Amino acid sequence: AQKVTQAQTEISVVEKEDVTLDCVYETRDTTYYLFWYKQPPSGELVFLIRRNSFDEQNEISGRYSWNFQKSTSSFNFTITASQVVDSAVYFCALTRGTTSGTYKYIFGTGTRLKVLA
Amino acid sequence: DVKVTQSSRYLVKRTGEKVFLECVQDMDHENMFWYRQDPGLGLRLIYFSYDVKMKEKGDIPEGYSVSREKKERFSLILESASTNQTSMYLCASSKDRGKGTQYFGPGTRLTVL
Repeated sequence: AQKVTQAQTEISVVEKEDVTLDCVYETRDTTYYLFWYKQPPSGELVFLIRRNSFDEQNEISGRYSWNFQKSTSSFNFTITASQVVDSAVYFCALTRGTTSGTYKYIFGTGTRLKVLA
Repeated sequence: DVKVTQSSRYLVKRTGEKVFLECVQDMDHENMFWYRQDPGLGLRLIYFSYDVKMKEKGDIPEGYSVSREKKERFSLILESASTNQTSMYLCASSKDRGKGTQYFGPGTRLTVL
């Protein structure tokens, strides 16, 4: 089965701590894409990053970094020096090919991050 | 910037009513999606469309139908609303046959009484 597991339901950290959100996926596809989205309290999902299965380079964007490891089927997300504005629900997602030749997303159940001042 | 809009942020309907949720995107994307979001379950795909008048079932299509008469508009229809359809409904659009980044609307919180 193809699925995304975010085992951490909720994490609380104190401001300025580093925090890592875990994402483990299963897929039969050889070509696939992985995503992270942020859902702040306002509700609208905000795109953070997209990674294809052939690109295992880690990526850093400001305080955010992503570690993609095909060997362990993981795509973890680290926030360095967390801030209160990072408080949100974070979703990991995986594409899955369809019979029509398009792709669908499979989402994890999300991790709620609370950053305390 | 991609803009995906949904017709209502909050909606309250009665059991048995026919409900229409509208979604419009302004970036000429081929693909559009409807999800529902429930606590502990993440986002689950109801239906998607990869072209005008084309649709494909997602993972939980029962009790729903969709319509895509124009490229920019994708409607979700609850033929006879039930209380278990109380949820947050999210619309999204993307390019590249769906493997591209999906852009989401603000969501519609539907309550069925």
